[in-house]
Amino acid sequence: AQRVTQPEKLLSVFKGAPVELKCNYSYSGSPELFWYVQYSRQRLQLLLRHISRESIKGFTADLNKGETSFHLKKPFAQEEDSAMYYCAFRSYNTDKLIFGTGTRLQVFP
Amino acid sequence: EPEVTQTPSHQVTQMGQEVILRCVPISNHLYFYWYRQILGQKVEFLVSFYNNEISEKSEIFDDQFSVERPDGSNFTLKIRSTKLEDSAMYFCASSGPNQPQHFGDGTRLSIL
Repeated sequence: AQRVTQPEKLLSVFKGAPVELKCNYSYSGSPELFWYVQYSRQRLQLLLRHISRESIKGFTADLNKGETSFHLKKPFAQEEDSAMYYCAFRSYNTDKLIFGTGTRLQVFP
Repeated sequence: EPEVTQTPSHQVTQMGQEVILRCVPISNHLYFYWYRQILGQKVEFLVSFYNNEISEKSEIFDDQFSVERPDGSNFTLKIRSTKLEDSAMYFCASSGPNQPQHFGDGTRLSIL
């Protein structure tokens, strides 16, 4: 079955520390992977899309097909990065997004 | 930047009643979606809509659910006879072809 796994419910770091939010997917074909972020009381916002290969707000994510992973990384966390982060997956023949359960990132001053 | 807008932000309804959730997608988008998130659970796909018809739906989207694009701007989700387990946050999204989906703020539906 197609599935996205985010193993950590909560990740707490201090400001300036590196951050890695883990995401693994189950799919045998070529997926499209996304990271969405939800700041407190706000909408889900697209953060990254793997095919864009860009860095947004200092975050990067690389699709590793061998490990079926799409981990989100930032070298130096900021307090404003505190939010809920959702990894999402879409297979080639569908428009629906399959979401992980999300990881709450807390960045302490 | 254009946004997907959803109304109302919070809807409280008695069990068994019909409810309509409204969404205004981004104006030049052609693909529309509904998702829901039960408290403490993951965001789940309900339905996708393109060219005035449902293109895909999940197991959750049973006969109690329907979607409609009644005019050129609105996209609605109707639940005919609500159940307690329909209580959730409902998100509307829209996209262009092969583009990422943009989400609204959501409607919190509370069934009493």
